[in-house]
Formats: sequence, structure tokens, C-alpha cells
Amino acid sequence: DTAVSQTPKYLVTQMGNDKSIKCEQNLGHDTMYWYKQDSKKFLKIMFSYNNKELIINETVPNRFSPKSPDKAHLNLHINSLELGDSAVYFCASSLLGSQSIYGYTFGSGTRLTVV
Amino acid sequence: GESVGLHLPTLSVQEGDNSIINCAYSNSASDYFIWYKQESGKGPQFIIDIRSNMDKRQGQRVTVLLNKTVKHLSLQIAATQPGDSAVYFCAENSGGSNYKLTFGKGTLLTVNP
Repeated sequence: DTAVSQTPKYLVTQMGNDKSIKCEQNLGHDTMYWYKQDSKKFLKIMFSYNNKELIINETVPNRFSPKSPDKAHLNLHINSLELGDSAVYFCASSLLGSQSIYGYTFGSGTRLTVV
Repeated sequence: GESVGLHLPTLSVQEGDNSIINCAYSNSASDYFIWYKQESGKGPQFIIDIRSNMDKRQGQRVTVLLNKTVKHLSLQIAATQPGDSAVYFCAENSGGSNYKLTFGKGTLLTVNP
């Protein structure tokens, strides 16, 4: 009954590789997000999609490319991985227009380690 | 720039005591605030929210206070339990149509038995 599920949970890879993280939500939400959490626990938004359309795109290197095939899925592809990309990446979803419009539901995170 | 910050990065309390976690925000246009709890190895979990037209909201063992005059938000946890040990974040809606939540730095709460 996982509401927001991310795969994989852990990802260890070498510099220069390309990797993807997948996210799916079964809450019927129409908006999904990717957040990056650094080693100091600081959470920063990267992207947001509403009904498959990009609505938030923060200053993120263009090596990061989100893809939303439908409103229940938001994947994150990262090209040419660098050491500084090591972090925990969280997917989240919400339903715009509802009473708890801003209450996100988060996934359990993907810990990416670039070596 | 706009930012949400916390006064204390760590807080250690005894089991049964009340805990107060503080947060300062700088964007006077923010109209919605949320407290999240993040346990080790998990994603942030919604605790309680408050809109800018309110100054207090209570939940089960938790109370959020909002002081718009000084742009201050606090989370009070009554009768703190070991299971409350986690990192707590305040988040604000930055306004506009982007529905973007800006998170504070987080406070690590440790409850000693």
C-alpha cells in the first residue's frame, strides 16, 4: 500500500555514469516533485510536474532531466554523474486544489553515492 | 533572499518533557506553513499545518504557533516520547502559482529515556 514509491533505495555508481531514479504514486495526486537532501539534511526542490507538465525548474544542471510519462510517474535521469551529486533524492506528490493543497506526501528516498 | 531558518539545530529533552522547536521565516507573503518529521532513513512526514489567517492550531500532542508580526513559527510537542526523536523541518509556501514549498534547515530532536 505504498503511497509514493521510489526505486532504487540505494544507488552506488562511478563518476561519469548515467543513472535513473523512478517514482510512482498511487494517491491520485496530480503534482509530483523531486527534492535533493544534502549531507546537512537541507531539502531543496529541483523539479515539479503538474499533470505531466513542468511547472517548477530550479537552478539544476541540465545533466538532470525529469520525465513524467503520466501524472502517476515522475522519473529522474542524471547524465555524467559527479561526486557532488551524492545525496538523498526524494520524490513527493500533492493534489492541487484540495484543502491540503500544499501537504506533500514524500517517498522514502533514494540514496545516491557517486564514487 | 527568501529563507526559512531554525534557531536551534539540535534539541535534547527528557522523556515526558515538553519540546519546543522554533523556526523563523523571512517571506511575509507566505500564507501556509507545515511542520514535517523525518526519521532516520525515511522521507519527511506531515505533522501539522497552519494558514496565515490563524495563529494557533492543535493536533494530537502537537501545537503549532504562528506569529506573523515577528515571522516566527514554533512546534510544541507535549509529553515527548522516544518515538518523537527525529529531524523536524518547517516549510513555507513561497507564494505565487508554483506551489513550491521552501524548507528550513531542520532541528534534530533527541529524546532521552
